[in-house]
Amino acid sequence: QQQVKQSPQSLIVQKGGISIINCAYENTAFDYFPWYQQFPGKGPALLIAIRPDVSEKKEGRFTISFNKSAKQFSLHIMDSQPGDSATYFCAASLYDKIIFGKGTRLHILP
Amino acid sequence: EADIYQTPRYLVIGTGKKITLECSQTMGHDKMYWYQQDPGMELHLIHYSYGVNSTEKGDLSSESTVSRIRTEHFPLTLESARPSHTSQYLCASSIGWADQPQHFGDGTRLSIL
Repeated sequence: QQQVKQSPQSLIVQKGGISIINCAYENTAFDYFPWYQQFPGKGPALLIAIRPDVSEKKEGRFTISFNKSAKQFSLHIMDSQPGDSATYFCAASLYDKIIFGKGTRLHILP
Repeated sequence: EADIYQTPRYLVIGTGKKITLECSQTMGHDKMYWYQQDPGMELHLIHYSYGVNSTEKGDLSSESTVSRIRTEHFPLTLESARPSHTSQYLCASSIGWADQPQHFGDGTRLSIL
């Protein structure tokens, strides 16, 4: 019940395309859903986050779509750029615990 | 730019040595965390702290220990390093509970020969 399942494990997208990464969770008590971006040799950095009372949040080219009934949320990267190539982690949190997905390696072809 | 610092960035050391990985943050955050991560792979929480004199074990069993004597400092110690400890160790801090962003350091990549 504490797992966050993330897919795909890796993703290749053409420059200018839309990158979509999906996550699913079981515990309906989770109350905060962040996405982290990690470049090689760096620690993860918060990219965007959403709470379950909102169905969508957009920040620039990055959008989180949240489906509470399906217990799923996804990250959409519009107009994907080579600089977006990184590993992306979804997460879900409750009280003092945060559960990370296993990560998606995204590669944007120039 | 970074407000959370980890040293050393890389460490290659022989089996049996005592190792301390340093982590310091200048943001005054109460919550601090240690994660173990094989490069680009899943993050595993190994220790966390609510504040000074507070330490808790995380979800992944680890032979390491931590201490929190000062708010800004959260070192991790391996008393006797083994090859199985080879990994990347990431330190993070947050202002509040898990519904607040975690700020990560750039990690220490540890190799035990």
